[in-house]
Amino acid sequence: DVKVTQSSRYLVKRTGEKVFLECVQDMDHENMFWYRQDPGLGLRLIYFSYDVKMKEKGDIPEGYSVSREKKERFSLILESASTNQTSMYLCASTKHWVHTGELFFGEGSRLTVL
Amino acid sequence: AQSVTQLGSHVSVSEGALVLLRCNYSSSVPPYLFWYVQYPNQGLQLLLKYTSAATLVKGINGFEAEFKKSETSFHLTKPSAHMSDAAEYFCAVSDFSGGSNYKLTFGKGTLLTVNP
Repeated sequence: DVKVTQSSRYLVKRTGEKVFLECVQDMDHENMFWYRQDPGLGLRLIYFSYDVKMKEKGDIPEGYSVSREKKERFSLILESASTNQTSMYLCASTKHWVHTGELFFGEGSRLTVL
Repeated sequence: AQSVTQLGSHVSVSEGALVLLRCNYSSSVPPYLFWYVQYPNQGLQLLLKYTSAATLVKGINGFEAEFKKSETSFHLTKPSAHMSDAAEYFCAVSDFSGGSNYKLTFGKGTLLTVNP
């Protein structure tokens, strides 16, 4: 089975802290994504990567950066966390072009910023 | 850019009743359309997808969806709801805007409650 693993299910951080969210997939997928999920807003794309060291901004990249040094790992970085970044963060990956639709998701990382 | 509208943020049905979750899309080109399901405290998983083959698409757990171009709709149905169907459901469309074929655009989700 494809497995997408997010390192932390629950995190609590303070305003101004630097936060790292890690995601690892074990199926040699080229494409990886970070989404943010908020009640009533659905999923919004933060960043995605289609190859090692490649990245593209999604719909809401402000306040975030990403790193993809190895094919299996895609990290989301909050340089200086703010309370409005309290949310559920979902990582996903896919082998093929996204229009085939088979995104595989991790279980999510729920971040609370105090 | 493509967009997706899910009508009804919360749908409640009785066990054994028909499930109908509505999704309308906007697209200037033939879209690819998807339904994902999210069970409590889990990530999303693919339920079914339309990729320009048959307009009636069957998915897992007895769900199906019909692509209707004239109505720009892709509604999800299941003839008889089961308690285990309680979850949040997301409609999504492939976004080819700006030359990008990497993105899925998701709707805001519909929470399905099944009452005994």
